[in-house]
Amino acid sequence: GAVVSQHPSWVICKSGTSVKIECRSLDFQATTMFWYRQFPKQSLMLMATSNEGSKATYEQGVEKDKFLINHASLTLSTLTVTSAHPEDSSFYICSAEPAGGLSGDTQYFGPGTRLTVL
Amino acid sequence: AQSVTQLGSHVSVSEGALVLLRCNYSSSVPPYLFWYVQYPNQGLQLLLKYTTGATLVKGINGFEAEFKKSETSFHLTKPSAHMSDAAEYFCAVSEADYKLTFGKGTLLTVNP
Repeated sequence: GAVVSQHPSWVICKSGTSVKIECRSLDFQATTMFWYRQFPKQSLMLMATSNEGSKATYEQGVEKDKFLINHASLTLSTLTVTSAHPEDSSFYICSAEPAGGLSGDTQYFGPGTRLTVL
Repeated sequence: AQSVTQLGSHVSVSEGALVLLRCNYSSSVPPYLFWYVQYPNQGLQLLLKYTTGATLVKGINGFEAEFKKSETSFHLTKPSAHMSDAAEYFCAVSEADYKLTFGKGTLLTVNP
């Protein structure tokens, strides 16, 4: 149980294009999903918190117009990197917190999406 | 604000030896504490967590961790390392706002 998937697992795009990454909770409903960014050999940095049916909350320093987040249902959140540039190349990981669980309890992580912008 | 410090970015042990990965945290409220493992090019897998109750927490793959409030520590141990334990390990803390703050990670290498 508690499986989170991401699609695609890797993507290569040209500079200036937009890329959408999907995060799905496969066997549970998640009112809250999180998006993280991980640079090589570094830790995960929280980018934003996504709540179903409402606007995402972005961490300080994260451009909301560049990283568009939509949480359309209890099982799906999407992250769109708009007008991607090489510095956006990174490993993007989502996580989901099961609905009805204790706040601050377990998050289940997706396998990540490797984005390379040429 | 919460923070996590993992002592040692790289730990190397022999197969069969004790594994000890150190984690210290700071938190203004009773924290929730987690250990995650990450294999190359993969997401994070929860090893174990402490929320309330028993301070010695047992997780998957033979790992355990002990919450020591007086030392603000949550060190991860395993009595006998296996080759398959080689991975990156992250300690994390969350408070009431459920946001996870991660340490910088410790790369565990297991030598045959």
